[in-house]
Amino acid sequence: GAVVSQHPSWVICKSGTSVKIECRSLDFQATTMFWYRQFPKQSLMLMATSNEGSKATYEQGVEKDKFLINHASLTLSTLTVTSAHPEDSSFYICSARSLAGETEQFFGPGTRLTVL
Amino acid sequence: GQNIDQPTEMTATEGAIVQINCTYQTSGFNGLFWYQQHAGEAPTFLSYNVLDGLEEKGRFSSFLSRSKGYSYLLLKELQMKDSASYLCAAMDSNYQLIWGAGTKLIIKP
Repeated sequence: GAVVSQHPSWVICKSGTSVKIECRSLDFQATTMFWYRQFPKQSLMLMATSNEGSKATYEQGVEKDKFLINHASLTLSTLTVTSAHPEDSSFYICSARSLAGETEQFFGPGTRLTVL
Repeated sequence: GQNIDQPTEMTATEGAIVQINCTYQTSGFNGLFWYQQHAGEAPTFLSYNVLDGLEEKGRFSSFLSRSKGYSYLLLKELQMKDSASYLCAAMDSNYQLIWGAGTKLIIKP
């Protein structure tokens, strides 16, 4: 089956630093990748949709300058949380879809970010 | 607007059957997903319905009524490991998933 990995699994950083999270599709080419954020006891919140080779589309209320997304290849997308603050502490999950219009998204295992 | 409604929490007994309901309103419709999510983990795919009717997959079944904007996930022979959150998500005309808040299922011995 389709496998998506994320790295790191968890990260602790100081306030004001930047953190990069990688999302990789291991056995398929992902034309579209999605980045979600999930706070405790809440559902997934879509942050942005990225298509390979083009700029990400951000959801309303998500700061594009704070959450930098790069989808440079068909197997890799990165999310960089710049100048992280404690309120950015959350569970970040990526998912990938192989072909435009194909329905199923495959989820990565998630990254737990804690900002001190 | 687009909206997904599902109960916040349900409790059931080990070995019993539980049905988790979901109603949706989306701009266009390209199917209804159910995911299971254990605490601290990413969601895992359970089922996908795009046509009306019941899809059975082992102990789990999922039902869809497009005319009613309604789906349910049926879990049989409940096991303690089924304690998790169950997320309902509808795919709109842009192939974007609209997520429900999730139903926390508590299984008691």
